Amino acid sequence: GAGVSQSPSNKVTEKGKDVELRCDPISGHTALYWYRQSLGQGLEFLIYFQGNSAPDKSGLPSDRFSAERTGGSVSTLTIQRTQQEDSAVYLCASSLAVELYNEQFFGPGTRLTVL
Amino acid sequence: DAKTTQPPSMDCAEGRAANLPCNHSTISGNEYVYWYRQIHSQGPQYIIHGLKNNETNEMASLIITEDRKSSTLILPHATLRDTAVYYCIVRVRTNAGKSTFGDGTTLTVKP
Repeated sequence: GAGVSQSPSNKVTEKGKDVELRCDPISGHTALYWYRQSLGQGLEFLIYFQGNSAPDKSGLPSDRFSAERTGGSVSTLTIQRTQQEDSAVYLCASSLAVELYNEQFFGPGTRLTVL
Repeated sequence: DAKTTQPPSMDCAEGRAANLPCNHSTISGNEYVYWYRQIHSQGPQYIIHGLKNNETNEMASLIITEDRKSSTLILPHATLRDTAVYYCIVRVRTNAGKSTFGDGTTLTVKP
């Protein structure tokens, strides 16, 4: 596609439910990144993928968060047993390679609201 | 990543140059200076980056001091659409790591 796409654009869920957020990177981009941005705050880095592997998962805020990437393309960020503090915009980005991670292209984000 | 310091907000008149400063006094020799911006309700957008030389592209110019402890992003003719949060980030080029964007500078371009 022309850019990074994310779905859903908005997600409202109840506390305790699981949610899945999807990211489709730009075709040919081997590196993929997840961030979150709470209201009025800067970006918080969560995890990155080089191909299908995530070398460092320590940026994930808790063990309720997990991410996977299959086929070197689509990635899913899963939040289990959501809490109100998980409410944020979750942003996905991709770059041609991890070595070029600073020239990232961002998707529009998924706004997650946990009631 | 080296720590950066940016003013929280700035105003600029439409059509004038916007000069956004960034201090990065602890920058190390292999760290680059990157600038992104985030327009309200959109994902961040890469603007420009540099190591030690000044850089220019179709969006902006980046001026890095000789000691590399500070830099300035210049938008030569600011428009209302340049209103955004501008992030200055310092990091090595090949280390994705647990990088964050910090709080940035909110630039408001006024008519």
